[in-house]
Amino acid sequence: GQQLNQSPQSMFIQEGEDVSMNCTSSSIFNTWLWYKQDPGEGPVLLIALYKAGELTSNGRLTAQFGITRKDSFLNISASIPSDVGIYFCAGQLKKSSGDKLTFGTGTRLAVRP
Amino acid sequence: KAGVTQTPRYLIKTRGQQVTLSCSPISGHRSVSWYQQTPGQGLQFLFEYFSETQRNKGNFPGRFSGRQFSNSRSEMNVSTLELGDSALYLCASSLAGSRWGMHSPLHFGNGTRLTVT
Repeated sequence: GQQLNQSPQSMFIQEGEDVSMNCTSSSIFNTWLWYKQDPGEGPVLLIALYKAGELTSNGRLTAQFGITRKDSFLNISASIPSDVGIYFCAGQLKKSSGDKLTFGTGTRLAVRP
Repeated sequence: KAGVTQTPRYLIKTRGQQVTLSCSPISGHRSVSWYQQTPGQGLQFLFEYFSETQRNKGNFPGRFSGRQFSNSRSEMNVSTLELGDSALYLCASSLAGSRWGMHSPLHFGNGTRLTVT
């Protein structure tokens, strides 16, 4: 099945560092979503973006909907240990056609030893 | 408000058997979607139900089926299980209606971990 290209695939962080990840698609989406998944749990919604160019923040998280509608990025500022987990982007084409999401391949955040 | 509830959390089945998974959406949510998550394929869309009707379907064989009840609860069935069906099955719900442009993101349950031996 289709998956969006998400990078980096994994990264190590130290507490206090800023983190950036992005997601690209060959197709246009009109909604971009970012989720975080912890082990043994389902994805939890972090940020939803509905308009090209939109920049939205949720606490230390900031995400942007690319102007081409084919990409999005997520920034985490001043990372803390509980930021560890897997982050997924997801694109949605048309709300009227239902809730089908296409997910990215995921970015795994781990703490640098 | 209670989140999306999926039962059971874990299941172990053998090849050839069938299985039914259950999902209760967030109260008031009428759209329920199902996703399969595996290490190799990631999160893949199975199908979506709205008002007891299948509105969208992913690229899975006919062995995968679902239904939605009048109270929006949904079940997913997999028949003639194969080893490759081992996965985390996630259910998600949203307020999505038929009106264009409604902003209603998906909220996921914690999934059912299915192991086929």
